[in-house]
Amino acid sequence: NAGVMQNPRHLVRRRGQEARLRCSPMKGHSHVYWYRQLPEEGLKFMVYLQKENIIDESGMPKERFSAEFPKEGPSILRIQQVVRGDSAAYFCASSGTGKNYGYTFGSGTRLTVV
Amino acid sequence: GESVGLHLPTLSVQEGDNSIINCAYSNSASDYFIWYKQESGKGPQFIIDIRSNMDKRQGQRVTVLLNKTVKHLSLQIAATQPGDSAVYFCAEGGANTDKLIFGTGTRLQVFP
Repeated sequence: NAGVMQNPRHLVRRRGQEARLRCSPMKGHSHVYWYRQLPEEGLKFMVYLQKENIIDESGMPKERFSAEFPKEGPSILRIQQVVRGDSAAYFCASSGTGKNYGYTFGSGTRLTVV
Repeated sequence: GESVGLHLPTLSVQEGDNSIINCAYSNSASDYFIWYKQESGKGPQFIIDIRSNMDKRQGQRVTVLLNKTVKHLSLQIAATQPGDSAVYFCAEGGANTDKLIFGTGTRLQVFP
């Protein structure tokens, strides 16, 4: 079991470009969560998805950010027209139960906007 | 000792000593609590959890204490080792939510 796989590990984008972050959940897990971590801070919830459905996006910024978890393939967190303030570590977690018990986190994608 | 500044609070301990990391949680409705360890450049790693119907739970070298009256959680690490050096986060959740709320974290530094 390879665990939660995130790629790329590091991503550099210029202001105004798009960033795509990918997350493959653990085998058998159909619930995916995205969190953002600013330097020296705790993780902040962004969005919770099941296959083909967004369940809770209460932590997503209203503009430029979107997430999907298609029937086939990884979950994608997409940030359009990135700004310097988007620089952060983005972590994905997966669960088999849909509850916040038993999350497993990936190693994250570190986005740097220059 | 423990210090709080502009950045993460830091706890410095000697190898072999016991460490106690504290956390104040925010939501009195939370009924599930977790401690995570995060090493530099890595994702959070589960250490131990506790449900609100308990006030103490022990693992291997770690103990979590929960005081619901004052909404306080602590993590005790026995015989702290250099490999324990990391940032430790508490997180709260529960049956009525699908998300975790993370605390701000404490950096543990272990000196030989």
